[in-house]
Amino acid sequence: GENVEQHPSTLSVQEGDSAVIKCTYSDSASNYFPWYKQELGKRPQLIIDIRSNVGEKKDQRIAVTLNKTAKHFSLHITETQPEDSAVYFCAAPRPTSGTYKYIFGTGTRLKVLA
Amino acid sequence: DTEVTQTPKHLVMGMTNKKSLKCEQHMGHRAMYWYKQKAKKPPELMFVYSYEKLSINESVPSRFSPECPNSSLLNLHLHALQPEDSALYLCASLGGTGELFFGEGSRLTVL
Repeated sequence: GENVEQHPSTLSVQEGDSAVIKCTYSDSASNYFPWYKQELGKRPQLIIDIRSNVGEKKDQRIAVTLNKTAKHFSLHITETQPEDSAVYFCAAPRPTSGTYKYIFGTGTRLKVLA
Repeated sequence: DTEVTQTPKHLVMGMTNKKSLKCEQHMGHRAMYWYKQKAKKPPELMFVYSYEKLSINESVPSRFSPECPNSSLLNLHLHALQPEDSALYLCASLGGTGELFFGEGSRLTVL
């Protein structure tokens, strides 16, 4: 299968707090795990990604962790700010027919309360 | 140029009309995608072209017909659509690192 489960579907945090979003994938052929942010009325944009040969990657306030054995990966946002409010999607692209079948998780709507 | 350009931005069509959505990228990417996105839902994969050949068709109804005239262009031809096909249609191209670059989308309303 190629499902990607994502939790929670909505998340509200106070400004300055941390937010964690988790995804679980099923296809062991996946080796690249990106996270996209989609602000209201805008296109999805990559914010961070991780490959299967590392367990954690950090970029300023955002980090991604990967547990390949358990087939799950998480997005961590620290010191949240109002501009972090958006919908976040994970993905676990599957190599298929010479390209990638890019299926997204169900999304998490993050609200950062000022 | 790191942009994926989609036209038109908005389209209203009747159920008997024929229209096309267009997508263009000049980043040299060899895989291009069509997604359908309904409100408060994730992008739903429709088609993938790789090296100008259709690689993936996610069992999309034949009233949607994709076309890839060359490596920079991707079209989605629409015919006899239903009101439930109203959605945001996103085009994306696949970069060498695995990142998808999305266009701004074409918002389609079927009356």
